Amino acid sequence: NAGVTQTPKFRVLKTGQSMTLLCAQDMNHEYMYWYRQDPGMGLRLIHYSVGEGTTAKGEVPDGYNVSRLKKQNFLLGLESAAPSQTSVYFCASTSWYEQYFGPGTRLTVT
Amino acid sequence: TQLLEQSPQFLSIQEGENLTVYCNSSSVFSSLQWYRQEPGEGPVLLVTVVTGGEVKKLKRLTFQFGDARKDSSLHITAAQPGDTGLYLCAGAPPVSGTYKYIFGTGTRLKVLA
Repeated sequence: NAGVTQTPKFRVLKTGQSMTLLCAQDMNHEYMYWYRQDPGMGLRLIHYSVGEGTTAKGEVPDGYNVSRLKKQNFLLGLESAAPSQTSVYFCASTSWYEQYFGPGTRLTVT
Repeated sequence: TQLLEQSPQFLSIQEGENLTVYCNSSSVFSSLQWYRQEPGEGPVLLVTVVTGGEVKKLKRLTFQFGDARKDSSLHITAAQPGDTGLYLCAGAPPVSGTYKYIFGTGTRLKVLA
């Protein structure tokens, strides 16, 4: 039982490049989330999903897109990366009140 | 916009001391969670409190949810170096059918041996 996994763990992009972050969970949870964590800002919600095929915007959705084609996977895409998107990205899934987080992806945009 | 303010932001104490971390808001939450995060890892859930006035204990950690469900505290007794980390609180707004959590900015705790 791996819980929540994220790939890749590290990535460096140049401004304007695109990439997709993959989150997978094996706990059969309906709700999944993408957060970004910046120094002094805590965790901020980017997008979330309440079930397969559904997505919704969070607090800071601009510049990101998501897809939930399968219940166990939640993808976060950056179409044209900007230096302001340098951050650590965390995926989480939820069972009732309990959130389980992945280990994070450290993204640097130069 | 709902906000969760945590205090203090930073805390450095000696092993064996007691400490309290606060999580405050002007908004009501249906539940509140506390997490600990270590460098390079994701947050790990410590506890969830749901009922106003609820107190939960986890070994040397005591968590309390305010009567009005707007605030919470985390008290650590006899802190140990293993308690070092970033402590985050997160609240779920009382909107039916939503599981959107709002996170505080965190309290970074360092316990010196």
